[in-house]
Amino acid sequence: EAQVTQNPRYLITVTGKKLTVTCSQNMNHEYMSWYRQDPGLGLRQIYYSMNVEVTDKGDVPEGYKVSRKEKRNFPLILESPSPNQTSLYFCASSISPGLAIGETQYFGPGTRLLVL
Amino acid sequence: AQSVTQLGSHVSVSEGALVLLRCNYSSSVPPYLFWYVQYPNQGLQLLLKYTSAATLVKGINGFEAEFKKSETSFHLTKPSAHMSDAAEYFCAVSYSSASKIIFGSGTRLSIRP
Repeated sequence: EAQVTQNPRYLITVTGKKLTVTCSQNMNHEYMSWYRQDPGLGLRQIYYSMNVEVTDKGDVPEGYKVSRKEKRNFPLILESPSPNQTSLYFCASSISPGLAIGETQYFGPGTRLLVL
Repeated sequence: AQSVTQLGSHVSVSEGALVLLRCNYSSSVPPYLFWYVQYPNQGLQLLLKYTSAATLVKGINGFEAEFKKSETSFHLTKPSAHMSDAAEYFCAVSYSSASKIIFGSGTRLSIRP
């Protein structure tokens, strides 16, 4: 089954304690992306990756890091989380952001993060 | 700056009525346009997308959207609303295969019995 998985699904942590949210896709997609969803703001892109070892900043990259060492994995790292990073996070993947007809962008189930 | 505007954070229609969710984009170059749906406590699902092939795009669950360049709009419609259509809908835009995707702030659709 084609899917994007995220772990953990729920996480409560404290300010400054480093954490990693994993994202993995089984579709051999080149494009992967992280978003955060906040009420009234919709989804905002944090980072995206066009392929292995190729990453770029989205709209709200401050306070986040990513890596793309393997095609299937795209972890999101918060080196020193702060309360303003409390949010719902989604990972997504697709063959490309929006080119060929018939493509679909697949989203993971989301990770709800609370930073105290 | 590139942006997407969704008019109306909340739209309520009666079951069986027309659904119209509005989306306008700012662009001087041809865009790729998307509509996504998010059901409660779930991730996002692609409803449909415009990639310059046809201006009227049909998606899943009976939804469709029309790209109107002169109005810079990509409104989402469905002729007859079902209770199961209650969800949040997001319009999004990108401008090349190597660019980031920009989402609108979302419109919550409620269906009245």
